[in-house]
Amino acid sequence: DGGITQSPKYLFRKEGQNVTLSCEQNLNHDAMYWYRQDPGQGLRLIYYSQIVNDFQKGDIAEGYSVSREKKESFPLTVTSAQKNPTAFYLCASSSRDRGVQPQHFGDGTRLSIL
Amino acid sequence: EDQVTQSPEALRLQEGESSSLNCSYTVSGLRGLFWYRQDPGKGPEFLFTLYSAGEEKEKERLKATLTKKESFLHITAPKPEDSATYLCAVQPTSGGYNKLIFGAGTRLAVHP
Repeated sequence: DGGITQSPKYLFRKEGQNVTLSCEQNLNHDAMYWYRQDPGQGLRLIYYSQIVNDFQKGDIAEGYSVSREKKESFPLTVTSAQKNPTAFYLCASSSRDRGVQPQHFGDGTRLSIL
Repeated sequence: EDQVTQSPEALRLQEGESSSLNCSYTVSGLRGLFWYRQDPGKGPEFLFTLYSAGEEKEKERLKATLTKKESFLHITAPKPEDSATYLCAVQPTSGGYNKLIFGAGTRLAVHP
């Protein structure tokens, strides 16, 4: 079955440490996205990529970095500059076909501070 | 400023007790409105896309409707397995990419 795989499911970060969250999709989608979900708030966009080797900052990109070397993969690094990283991180992808296309989500990575 | 507000924040229903969830939006132009279901510890699952006022979509016990200012998700005779958080998102005509603005969601609990 086609879908989006995020790993790990749970991740713990020590002070001053960078951590990388994995996102892989086999939906053949060109566009991929990273969101952060906090209790009581809507999903907020961190970074997005519409095509391989290109990505753009979203609304809350500070303290995060991404790469898009392959169509299937869009890893997110949470750097030590992100002072409040505890959250549920969601990766999504969508087709760039004509018309309005829904985004499809993975099952998330929950990041906590040790 | 583009904004999406969902109400109520939480809703408790008895099994079989029909109700509606509201999604109000303020955008300069609407390209589409999406409804998602999210179970605890999982990612959102796509339910519906609505494009224009007057449109309706149905799936099992769920029916989504759209006006120029809001969308409703009607739940008819809900069952305990319908318990989840329901998210609404809008795609404005501005933005240049597949930008979505999400509401904070409505947590639905259906009790037997």
